[in-house]
Amino acid sequence: GAVVSQHPSRVICKSGTSVKIECRSLDFQATTMFWYRQFPKQSLMLMATSNEGSKATYEQGVEKDKFLINHASLTLSTLTVTSAHPEDSSFYICSASRGPYGYTFGSGTRLTVV
Amino acid sequence: DAKTTQPNSMESNEEEPVHLPCNHSTISGTDYIHWYRQLPSQGPEYVIHGLTSNVNNRMASLAIAEDRKSSTLILHRATLRDAAVYYCILSEGQGFSFIFGKGTRLLVKP
Repeated sequence: GAVVSQHPSRVICKSGTSVKIECRSLDFQATTMFWYRQFPKQSLMLMATSNEGSKATYEQGVEKDKFLINHASLTLSTLTVTSAHPEDSSFYICSASRGPYGYTFGSGTRLTVV
Repeated sequence: DAKTTQPNSMESNEEEPVHLPCNHSTISGTDYIHWYRQLPSQGPEYVIHGLTSNVNNRMASLAIAEDRKSSTLILHRATLRDAAVYYCILSEGQGFSFIFGKGTRLLVKP
């Protein structure tokens, strides 16, 4: 149980275009989801906290107009990277609460902007 | 900033036990200790968590110091599939985000 599905697993897009990443909780409801970014050989960096039915809370230094987060239902949160540039190339990972004490993570999305 | 400190890397031989340490000297009374691991190009995977008492599950054991300022993840018999980056994370509970430190990269030698 407590599976989080993330799609797509990898995407290549042209500079200036937008890319949407989906994060779904398959067998549970997730009031709160989190989005992380991970650069090669580095740890995960929290980008934003996504709450169902309300605006996301972004970490300092993360541009909310560039990384649009929508959490319209209890099982789906989306991250849209708008006007992507090569420096946005990274591994994006979502997570959702699997109960009182921990989180389940998606398998990640490798974004390459060319 | 992450509230935990872990060695950058550790090595183990296959089928031998591995003890991965974590220091969390500023832990608060409500912080849970979580361990996750991340294989290359995958999202983190839950390993174990605890509050005060030692914990065992099918994957590992978690030994928590009496003062809770440190803990140790124990893999009883390392396999090649256990090679990963292991993260020790403190969290107050549901709804609170995880702040990841650099973790420990475990290399398992055949």
